[in-house]
Amino acid sequence: QSALTQPPSASGSPGQSVTISCTGTSNDVGGYNYVSWYQQHPGKAPKLMIYEVTKRPSGVPDRFSGSKSGNTASLTVSGLQAEDEADYYCSSFAGSDNFLYVFGTGTKVTVL
Amino acid sequence: QLHLQESGPGLLKPSETLSLTCTVSGDSISGSTYYWGWIRQPPGKGLEWIGSIFYTGRTFYNPSVRSRMSMSVDTSKNHFSLKLSSVTAADTSVYYCARVGNSLFDYWGQGALVTVSS
Repeated sequence: QSALTQPPSASGSPGQSVTISCTGTSNDVGGYNYVSWYQQHPGKAPKLMIYEVTKRPSGVPDRFSGSKSGNTASLTVSGLQAEDEADYYCSSFAGSDNFLYVFGTGTKVTVL
Repeated sequence: QLHLQESGPGLLKPSETLSLTCTVSGDSISGSTYYWGWIRQPPGKGLEWIGSIFYTGRTFYNPSVRSRMSMSVDTSKNHFSLKLSSVTAADTSVYYCARVGNSLFDYWGQGALVTVSS
């Protein structure tokens, strides 16, 4: 199972928007509406930000939104704030027979 | 509030067996409809799901480690465990335990660094 492909980096100024892509295949991203996104600050555990492509857990600001088209999912962070600077990882369910999960390669978001 | 905590040796020699335990508080593993999983992250690199277990003992493993991997659950202690045999330097990682929801990982432990070095 290959990792999902994300751009290594993305950046934006405070108040701007940044969009991160996550490209997989029809066996993972394209095959299921089970894409989730995680934010990870240095030295910390990942935090769930988006699940089932578009849903936000309680407590996650609505500045974070998700979408999917074909084999590519996207995370958009609107109104960038300094605390949004972190690594972001996508994840997808990848197999109904054996409950596989695959993560993306990760994107470092820098707030300029 | 759900809390997960990893524990286990932090330094291993090549060919040894990695053993980690994740203790869950704030929820009962046996009363839950969730799976419980392990995810690892080599230093400076990305995340890799390596396995999940249900309280009944049903397991799913990443094919990349399946031949060396074993997970178990102890409902009396409300914890689940990971064993990874024949470790090499490539297994050096921070190992996270997490609750596995409907194809999401919603609660994570703080992580445990395991270093494999001779």
